[in-house]
Amino acid sequence: ETGVTQTPRHLVMGMTNKKSLKCEQHLGHNAMYWYKQSAKKPLELMFVYSLEERVENNSVPSRFSPECPNSSHLFLHLHTLQPEDSALYLCASSQDPASGGHEQYFGPGTRLTVT
Amino acid sequence: AQSVTQLGSHVSVSEGALVLLRCNYSSSVPPYLFWYVQYPNQGLQLLLKYTSAATLVKGINGFEAEFKKSETSFHLTKPSAHMSDAAEYFCAVSERNYGQNFVFGPGTRLSVLP
Repeated sequence: ETGVTQTPRHLVMGMTNKKSLKCEQHLGHNAMYWYKQSAKKPLELMFVYSLEERVENNSVPSRFSPECPNSSHLFLHLHTLQPEDSALYLCASSQDPASGGHEQYFGPGTRLTVT
Repeated sequence: AQSVTQLGSHVSVSEGALVLLRCNYSSSVPPYLFWYVQYPNQGLQLLLKYTSAATLVKGINGFEAEFKKSETSFHLTKPSAHMSDAAEYFCAVSERNYGQNFVFGPGTRLSVLP
């Protein structure tokens, strides 16, 4: 595997379900990101992890819970979601974000549908 | 805080015509600037980036962009459009020392007509 991978690619869940999205990067980066991409809206940064510590949380509802067990893996745990949470969830990674200038590499995304 | 605007949510060009996608940014410090492309059902792919070296930046697939500080712009161009260029294009900005604050523009959908 190369680059950034995400599983599953598609997920349909009910509002009472609990599921997790997985992201893995094979680039040796030390920062990972979760973004939400909804139709007609700009890409929204949800969480940033640098060196496995959360450094950014953009007022995301608590029904989204991130986990970063090591610098290569990132999870997004989902529970009691709402229909408006249906979107494409993108994972990205980069080198040391604090100094800036480092491009982010994106996975293919998980298309989430909440019914 | 930085921000990005992209003029035109949808741009159509004929195959072989010039592609011009506009991006203007706002940043309190010298920015880093990026263009990404997204094909249907895929993630974002980096086209090119500006990090304060040359103001004219060349990227993949024949795209280039020019950083103009006086106009706070970073427009993306390609001399001759190809059908395979049809996609969504995003401009993004990040600030020095706050690289995690990566802000994306709303995107421009490029259609290429035969």
